Amino acid sequence: GDSVTQTEGLVTLTEGLPVMLNCTYQTIYSNPFLFWYVQHLNESPRLLLKSFTDNKRTEHQGFHATLHKSSSSFHLQKSSAQLSDSALYYCALSDRGTGGLSGKLTFGEGTQVTVIS
Amino acid sequence: ETAVFQTPNYHVTQVGNEVSFNCKQTLGHDTMYWYKQDSKKLLKIMFSYNNKQLIVNETVPRRFSPQSSDKAHLNLRIKSVEPEDSAVYLCASSLGDWGTYEQYFGPGTRLTVL
Repeated sequence: GDSVTQTEGLVTLTEGLPVMLNCTYQTIYSNPFLFWYVQHLNESPRLLLKSFTDNKRTEHQGFHATLHKSSSSFHLQKSSAQLSDSALYYCALSDRGTGGLSGKLTFGEGTQVTVIS
Repeated sequence: ETAVFQTPNYHVTQVGNEVSFNCKQTLGHDTMYWYKQDSKKLLKIMFSYNNKQLIVNETVPRRFSPQSSDKAHLNLRIKSVEPEDSAVYLCASSLGDWGTYEQYFGPGTRLTVL
């Protein structure tokens, strides 16, 4: 079945430095949809950005990611981290089902980001 | 206010009891989901409903059963809870079920099984 791998479980960085969170995936589907969801402390996950277009940069709220089907990757980046970026970040893959509709999201294990001053 | 609402916020119960969680969305979405977020923050889908039809039923224990009266409501019942059921249960909804749509999550119900 589908799987998503986030290699960093915990990331601590200093405010103002760049952020990069890794995400790779495995799927038999040739046109996957990839998502980044963010969950702040005591809140529920919310969409940060999504993409299904190969090699096209997607941006939102200062974050950006590019889907690379050749390497099955969808890394999340930001040029300058802010204290408010401290949160749990999930990479997710959409399962469009086989022969039907499902809409299932497969989430990675998440990366906890802590930004310090 | 348009959002995803869940009740209760917290529930503490004993092993073997039955519990029910409620979810309502006022976003006009067609698809609703139940996710389980465990103590390690692993987030896994349990069920999804599209226009009252179950379209994804992951391999969850049979003691879990989703219940829907209409496309705006999706409840979760757990018969005879086990300690491993302690988790946060998140309800979500989306406009469609193609998996390309943004999913909106409710605040969650935290279940503690003693």
